[in-house]
Amino acid sequence: DTEVTQTPKHLVMGMTNKKSLKCEQHMGHRAMYWYKQKAKKPPELMFVYSYEKLSINESVPSRFSPECPNSSLLNLHLHALQPEDSALYLCASSQARTSLAGEETQYFGPGTRLLVL
Amino acid sequence: GQQVMQIPQYQHVQEGEDFTTYCNSSTTLSNIQWYKQRPGGHPVFLIQLVKSGEVKKQKRLTFQFGEAKKNSSLHITATQTTDVGTYFCAGPNTGGFKTIFGAGTRLFVKA
Repeated sequence: DTEVTQTPKHLVMGMTNKKSLKCEQHMGHRAMYWYKQKAKKPPELMFVYSYEKLSINESVPSRFSPECPNSSLLNLHLHALQPEDSALYLCASSQARTSLAGEETQYFGPGTRLLVL
Repeated sequence: GQQVMQIPQYQHVQEGEDFTTYCNSSTTLSNIQWYKQRPGGHPVFLIQLVKSGEVKKQKRLTFQFGEAKKNSSLHITATQTTDVGTYFCAGPNTGGFKTIFGAGTRLFVKA
């Protein structure tokens, strides 16, 4: 199984809502990532979890709150978002053979297309 | 800071023509990865190059890693409409803690 799954596929939320994005992988990978991608731009790293511990937070605003309940699951909790947060949110995973996430091949999920009104 | 630059930004080709995208890093890379993202899709891993001067082929796709490990290219021979999408190169940042993506090259193929 080389698949990373993400739910929901699409999400529309108001600026006062609280919602969560979910990501799951069953490849035995121990590193998981959240990226944000705007149209016609490359993915932009938000968070990295390695062995269920947060290892990188790219100075992401606190209205985004990641959680890694176990080695297969990754959540992104959203609260009080702004319209400029509308984007494709991608989850990815990698083996974590080393402690250097940048050295690894990443497998991306299909993403959640988020629209904040 | 470290940059990974990619050119061209976009390219239109007629089906059957060849296509090349180039990637240049401001620093030496331990490896370089290539991803393809179809319109409306997500990045899909294509290949990783590790050795200086390495050349790898996947059917009509040829990937090269420069001798100095600071540049790379992806060449597609005889493009097909299924090649449409954005091709990203990516490499580890200094220290290797995260991956830096190039801006991508959008390929349009006209049948």
